[in-house]
Amino acid sequence: DAGVIQSPRHEVTEMGQEVTLRCKPISGHDYLFWYRQTMMRGLELLIYFNNNVPIDDSGMPEDRFSAKMPNASFSTLKIQPSEPRDSAVYFCASGLRGVGNQPQHFGDGTRLSIL
Amino acid sequence: QQQVKQSPQSLIVQKGGISIINCAYENTAFDYFPWYQQFPGKGPALLIAIRPDVSEKKEGRFTISFNKSAKQFSLHIMDSQPGDSATYFCAASIIGTGNQFYFGTGTSLTVIP
Repeated sequence: DAGVIQSPRHEVTEMGQEVTLRCKPISGHDYLFWYRQTMMRGLELLIYFNNNVPIDDSGMPEDRFSAKMPNASFSTLKIQPSEPRDSAVYFCASGLRGVGNQPQHFGDGTRLSIL
Repeated sequence: QQQVKQSPQSLIVQKGGISIINCAYENTAFDYFPWYQQFPGKGPALLIAIRPDVSEKKEGRFTISFNKSAKQFSLHIMDSQPGDSATYFCAASIIGTGNQFYFGTGTSLTVIP
């Protein structure tokens, strides 16, 4: 079974440009999470969805960040306009709610560099 | 506010030694405690997890010890190997509340041959 797939793996762009990160969760998973990882702040939860509906976006740092999940197999995280301080590794994870708790499965991330 | 506090930030261990990483939490409603392992260039991957109804769980060389009264849990890696060199994250969540995990800040483990 394929894991969580993220694209692109690396993105380098100039400040002010729009950045779109993509995620395909594991088929059948009903939760999707977007995280940001930096050396200073570790893993930060930005937003998560349940059945394609955003449940908690309190971790989204600013209005420049937006996330969508138009269907069960695709989600995007968009930054517009991008700033150098947005440079980080962005992870998508998916999970399945069931009896007990279920682990989150992470993609390999998108390394974003804003110049 | 950090819901889960993890220490140490980094750890260096000789091959064959025991690596110990500690985590503490305040919210007594947490009832699921996973540990994740992350290699460079990869996403975190579930290593082992425990529920608070047991005090210890062992999988191969990896053991979680859980102290409910102290609100602490720890990961022990026995016979540490260079291939164990990675960053380890503890986490906590509340079953039934949306699968949201609260992660520790991570421990960078280096096992010296």
